[in-house]
Amino acid sequence: DQQVKQNSPSLSVQEGRISILNCDYTNSMFDYFLWYKKYPAEGPTFLISISSIKDKNEDGRFTVFLNKSAKHLSLHIVPSQPGDSAVYFCAAIGNSGYALNFGKGTSLLVTP
Amino acid sequence: DTGVSQDPRHKITKRGQNVTFRCDPISEHNRLYWYRQTLGQGPEFLTYFQNEAQLEKSRLLSDRFSAERPKGSFSTLEIQRTEQGDSAMYLCASSLSATGNEQFFGPGTRLTVL
Repeated sequence: DQQVKQNSPSLSVQEGRISILNCDYTNSMFDYFLWYKKYPAEGPTFLISISSIKDKNEDGRFTVFLNKSAKHLSLHIVPSQPGDSAVYFCAAIGNSGYALNFGKGTSLLVTP
Repeated sequence: DTGVSQDPRHKITKRGQNVTFRCDPISEHNRLYWYRQTLGQGPEFLTYFQNEAQLEKSRLLSDRFSAERPKGSFSTLEIQRTEQGDSAMYLCASSLSATGNEQFFGPGTRLTVL
């Protein structure tokens, strides 16, 4: 019962363009959402997060949008750079829990 | 380096052997988590400590798995009588309860059971 879903296993974008990674969730008790970036043979690195009381959070080139009614969030990377090539995981947590619930990840390839 | 560290980075063992992994969290972090990641999947939660107390365990954590955090600092995860299905990346993360939900991960221990 995957509660966090990333339906696109992979995405290829040209350098300088926008990358949009999508994530859907099913559990309405989730109230905090995070994006992690993972390079091969390394642990996930925290990227950006958003609370359910907000609909947007921005940090440099990274912006996360949350649509609670649709149970959908997205990560925008503008402009995309080759160093952004990695697997991106969406994760969610409820206010009474400690466990991060992860999606299966989206592999982003940014080509020069 | 003040990040989360894990040891060993790689472990190859034969089926039936016991293995133990260590995690050193970020020094001021009072919360520590263990996750497991298999190929093509996101990390899956195993267990959670606040200081030395183990407060939550996933149903994924069978009786062959045990985790400790004896002094509220480093943690160990032991797998007894390993099975081929235990082959995975074991990830440790830590966080500070006062600052929110962000968890910071270590590099992981890659376990291969032959």
